[in-house]
Amino acid sequence: GAGVSQSPSNKVTEKGKDVELRCDPISGHTALYWYRQSLGQGLEFLIYFQGNSAPDKSGLPSDRFSAERTGGSVSTLTIQRTQQEDSAVYLCASSLVGGAGSPLHFGNGTRLTVT
Amino acid sequence: GIQVEQSPPDLILQEGANSTLRCNFSDSVNNLQWFHQNPWGQLINLFYIPSGTKQNGRLSATTVATERYSLLYISSSQTTDSGVYFCAARTGYNFNKFYFGSGTKLNVKP
Repeated sequence: GAGVSQSPSNKVTEKGKDVELRCDPISGHTALYWYRQSLGQGLEFLIYFQGNSAPDKSGLPSDRFSAERTGGSVSTLTIQRTQQEDSAVYLCASSLVGGAGSPLHFGNGTRLTVT
Repeated sequence: GIQVEQSPPDLILQEGANSTLRCNFSDSVNNLQWFHQNPWGQLINLFYIPSGTKQNGRLSATTVATERYSLLYISSSQTTDSGVYFCAARTGYNFNKFYFGSGTKLNVKP
């Protein structure tokens, strides 16, 4: 596709359930980021993938959060045993390379609501 | 990590007015970008501008890397310019993270 694609666009889940969020980056982009945006707030870094290198998971808020990137393309962010504080918009972004000269391109996000 | 501060936090303009948004960062950066988040939540990349000046229509941006700030200029504002403007910076020693400011919320009134 032409841009970063995220699915689902909206997800409502009950507290304690697991959820999976999907990101399909722009074709050829080797760098992929996940960010979280709570209502009215800025963007919080979660995780970064670059090619075949080990991901930077330093932003994941707890061990209930995990992410993988298969074949250097599609990424899945998994939240286990969801809590109400996990409610936010989860944004995925990709860039051509991880170096200095590459602008970020964001998807439209997944709005997660935990009831 | 670096601190990214944006000002003003809120701005109300009459349609047709000009404005300047500021982004200060606490360390040297090799990547600086401006984004517009529209009322539907979409984040649109406006400028990739680690240094120098760029223009795109009614928008322009200037980054003075040695003084650690960037400015976004909006001229002849339109109601469609409403939304939140974020700047994001990355240092040369940590390619993994873009640090975002808390944004400037712009409301352009007709």
